[in-house]
Amino acid sequence: ETGVTQTPRHLVMGMTNKKSLKCEQHLGHNAMYWYKQSAKKPLELMFVYNFKEQTENNSVPSRFSPECPNSSHLFLHLHTLQPEDSALYLCASSQEKGAGETQYFGPGTRLLVL
Amino acid sequence: AQKITQTQPGMFVQEKEAVTLDCTYDTSDQSYGLFWYKQPSSGEMIFLIYQGSYDEQNATEGRYSLNFQKARKSANLVISASQLGDSAMYFCAMREGWGGGADGLTFGKGTHLIIQP
Repeated sequence: ETGVTQTPRHLVMGMTNKKSLKCEQHLGHNAMYWYKQSAKKPLELMFVYNFKEQTENNSVPSRFSPECPNSSHLFLHLHTLQPEDSALYLCASSQEKGAGETQYFGPGTRLLVL
Repeated sequence: AQKITQTQPGMFVQEKEAVTLDCTYDTSDQSYGLFWYKQPSSGEMIFLIYQGSYDEQNATEGRYSLNFQKARKSANLVISASQLGDSAMYFCAMREGWGGGADGLTFGKGTHLIIQP
């Protein structure tokens, strides 16, 4: 399944680095999401975009900065991260917002902050 | 309080047996959706099955079925005739409301299913 792609798949960065995660969906969807999956914790919603507009920021620290230039692309810009930010970052998309809309996920980016 | 509870951290099942993975949920909304995802060691979350709160029939998708008991707020996943490739983490998730409020999924902690030959 290549409906949602994410790059890079793995990333190691220092606390002073700046990097960006990229997500692209080929499903013609209008809503995109960032989730964080830390070890031994449930997935946590970070951001929601619908038709390029941010509709949800789930109290995420400002060192994470999302960008959605169009409905097909979503970025997560990272700067001055902490070691506890090491996690699997998953991007998802759905046709619309709403309880009945299935979200389809990308393969994730495994981030390690040293 | 947890919105999604998966009480089985890990399960070992013999190949070809049926498996039931438990999920209970907590919501005051009348409209909500329930989802199950599979996450192999590669990390990708694979959508398996969806049940809407107003659906009267239990959802089925191939070997997967969802045992939806609304009054008990239970949405167990049943995998028939398990295969070695079913070994993975399984997550129950819920999405509340129809367009209003938060639109992300709320996930449980997952069940690690291991199928033994």
